[in-house]
Amino acid sequence: DAGITQSPRHKVTETGTPVTLRCHQTENHRYMYWYRQDPGHGLRLIHYSYGVKDTDKGEVSDGYSVSRSKTEDFLLTLESATSSQTSVYFCAIRPGQANTEAFFGQGTRLTVV
Amino acid sequence: AQSVAQPEDQVNVAEGNPLTVKCTYSVSGNPYLFWYVQYPNRGLQFLLKYITGDNLVKGSYGFEAEFNKSQTSFHLKKPSALVSDSALYFCAVRSNNAGNMLTFGGGTRLMVKP
Repeated sequence: DAGITQSPRHKVTETGTPVTLRCHQTENHRYMYWYRQDPGHGLRLIHYSYGVKDTDKGEVSDGYSVSRSKTEDFLLTLESATSSQTSVYFCAIRPGQANTEAFFGQGTRLTVV
Repeated sequence: AQSVAQPEDQVNVAEGNPLTVKCTYSVSGNPYLFWYVQYPNRGLQFLLKYITGDNLVKGSYGFEAEFNKSQTSFHLKKPSALVSDSALYFCAVRSNNAGNMLTFGGGTRLMVKP
């Protein structure tokens, strides 16, 4: 899948615990995105990055933070997980050229109990 | 703010018949438009895109899409559906003057019956 690895692939965690999801790419693409997928809502953008240390909020960023200290890694952190954050999380990457499409990872299924 | 609407949660079609999955969008500036497909327990796979030029865009697996600027639509089509086309389809838009945000519709489940 276009040189994207998400880890872990599955995780069950308890309410109130911190959780970090990792997206790693081997394509050296400029843009990286975190989405969540929920039934009836499609994919909603959480945060995205347009370069090392350059990030911005998406439409559902509350309760999430991100970091990108290296081109290849984009971390999504839930500081204190809640049941409403149970979802499937997808990372995507895109080259810097304007007319390019994004490529998606396999997803991480997170369950908060 | 940019947005995408996929008005049908599910589309049912018989194998061999033509299929259409609808998408309308709202964006400032000129749109970049995309279709993705998702099979069960998998990530999204890119099907096709419209950037500029011909309004009819051809993509993977025999799919095509028609860009209509006046109707702000980008409907996905295929002349003859296969059972293996059954999946979840997403339309997405990005503005050519915003650069970064890629916004998806809610998805349409395509069911092709033998």
